[in-house]
Amino acid sequence: EVQLVESGGGVVQTGGSLRLSCAASGFTFSNYWMSWVRQAPGKGLEWVANLEENGNYKQYVDSVKGRFTISRDNARDSLFLQMNSLRVEDTAVYYCARVITAHDYGDHWGQGTLVTVSS
Amino acid sequence: IVLTQSPATLSLSPGERATLSCRASQSVSTYIAWYQQKRGQAPRLLIYDASSRATGIPARFSGSGSGTDFTLTISSLEPEDFAVYYCQQAKTFGQGTKVEI
Repeated sequence: EVQLVESGGGVVQTGGSLRLSCAASGFTFSNYWMSWVRQAPGKGLEWVANLEENGNYKQYVDSVKGRFTISRDNARDSLFLQMNSLRVEDTAVYYCARVITAHDYGDHWGQGTLVTVSS
Repeated sequence: IVLTQSPATLSLSPGERATLSCRASQSVSTYIAWYQQKRGQAPRLLIYDASSRATGIPARFSGSGSGTDFTLTISSLEPEDFAVYYCQQAKTFGQGTKVEI
């Protein structure tokens, strides 16, 4: 069974940092692109970042470029999101998702971890 | 690319047919996915490539369309289908349609 379990969320002040983790199991992690998608309270879904299988090619939404870094450790079946210079508008539930096809479809999602940025 | 979903809210009863629309601001061929999200849960992939059902998704869910206009149809609503539905094209999501009782 495919499982994705996020951790690392919490409350942080504006300008602070957090590192999110996503532990994967039930599939060959190194064979898949992975994504982070977020959802602000009461709002819709927003794609944040993608990472290809080997960890070399990364894509980011413009609003997080230069502040967030997506990475992975295939030996530990883990995905990460390092978030620096956090802003109030980064407050959201952050989901990791397994990506299928070249069109960024997420076929399995974790339960999410809440990041709250306070001023 | 901007995805516009309509209606924002759909009020229906169990057993009724639900028709949800997603319009893209430019042609996206058939590269559209649909997700269901229940309150407090992660999204679940229902449909990809406009009309292919994801693993384990019941046959009452179907997708159609190409180019700029796409439809998600739930043929007969079950109580567990009342949720928010999102369309997606690559890194863009629509704003969602809430299907409520």
